[in-house]
Amino acid sequence: AQSVTQLDSQVPVFEEAPVELRCNYSSSVSVYLFWYVQYPNQGLQLLLKYLSGSTLVKGINGFEAEFNKSQTSFHLRKPSVHISDTAEYFCAVTKGKGGSEKLVFGKGTKLTVNP
Amino acid sequence: GAGVSQTPSNKVTEKGKYVELRCDPISGHTALYWYRQSLGQGPEFLIYFQGTGAADDSGLPNDRFFAVRPEGSVSTLKIQRTERGDSAVYLCASSTGGEQFFGPGTRLTVL
Repeated sequence: AQSVTQLDSQVPVFEEAPVELRCNYSSSVSVYLFWYVQYPNQGLQLLLKYLSGSTLVKGINGFEAEFNKSQTSFHLRKPSVHISDTAEYFCAVTKGKGGSEKLVFGKGTKLTVNP
Repeated sequence: GAGVSQTPSNKVTEKGKYVELRCDPISGHTALYWYRQSLGQGPEFLIYFQGTGAADDSGLPNDRFFAVRPEGSVSTLKIQRTERGDSAVYLCASSTGGEQFFGPGTRLTVL
């Protein structure tokens, strides 16, 4: 079975500062990894995904993540955050490519960007 | 085009009552998923449909929970004899085999 650990439940940062949201996973099989964002009172939106190939994945809104198989990590980064990035971020893992297998989510990290 | 829609957006019910939550997937999406998100937690998988059949229902917590998708499109999640612990946001997602697209969810409150 797969599991996901998001090490920080809350991350406060100032506008234009860099941010890293940490995600570690465990699995006995090859996995595919995702980051979703949930803005207040909205549904989950896919930020980026790692399926194969380059371990550095670029997503929407200037976010990127790096898959590290040896450390079983998939940390999310942004070099300069905006107020509008305030949201909850979820890391997820699946055995399939995200369309034929269930997603297993972490508990989420609430990012608050302060002026 | 239209995304995944869920109705109602909010549902308040009393302990012991029966509720139905509806999901309209994106047109043409063959795969449909139900997840439950409790306060302060990430979404947890409940059930996955491929077409009309439940391909994986391992996440349903007990036999009070049941879901159908009779024509391979709209799905209904049914909860019998609701309990206060069932209070959560119920999320639906659909897919064609790639990314899962999520609806806005139904917030269920059991008093």
